[in-house]
Amino acid sequence: DVKVTQSSRYLVKRTGEKVFLECVQDMDHENMFWYRQDPGLGLRLIYFSYDVKMKEKGDIPEGYSVSREKKERFSLILESASTNQTSMYLCASSADRGITYNSPLHFGNGTRLTVT
Amino acid sequence: QKEVEQNSGPLSVPEGAIASLNCTYSDRGSQSFFWYRQYSGKSPELIMFIYSNGDKEDGRFTAQLNKASQYVSLLIRDSQPSDSATYLCAGDTGTASKLTFGTGTRLQVTL
Repeated sequence: DVKVTQSSRYLVKRTGEKVFLECVQDMDHENMFWYRQDPGLGLRLIYFSYDVKMKEKGDIPEGYSVSREKKERFSLILESASTNQTSMYLCASSADRGITYNSPLHFGNGTRLTVT
Repeated sequence: QKEVEQNSGPLSVPEGAIASLNCTYSDRGSQSFFWYRQYSGKSPELIMFIYSNGDKEDGRFTAQLNKASQYVSLLIRDSQPSDSATYLCAGDTGTASKLTFGTGTRLQVTL
């Protein structure tokens, strides 16, 4: 079974802090993604990466950056956390560049971030 | 903005009935559609995938796609209380690596 592990289940940070959310997958997947999920807004793509050191902006990249130094690890960075970044953050991976039934998204358990 | 729209619900159905979940999309270039189930406090899990017009059946689940009407649906036959969850519809965006998700429909199966 594919395992996507997010380092923290719950996180509380203060406004202005630099925040790192870590994600590791154990299946040698090419693609990794960061989404945030908010009530009424659904899942929105922040950034994704299809290779080491490669990254592409998703739909809502403002206020975030990412790092992919190793294939199995994809980090989301909030340079200066703000209260509107309070959300559930979900990491996902997929085997191939294209998302298909044979290469679906596999999600981690999520990190609930609260910024006070 | 390419959108996938779902009624947020809750959709309430009695145990044993058919639950019908619907989704519309705006991007005519979308080819593939996914249904994910998300239990409260858990991450989404893939339950169905469809890319051809028509119906696709897998056990109690049937996905339906009508590209002319830009409409995707998920039918759950013989609904069980364990089916109570939020169902997310997602479509590709023409960029194979990206999916656009709907906001999800909450399904409640009552005893």
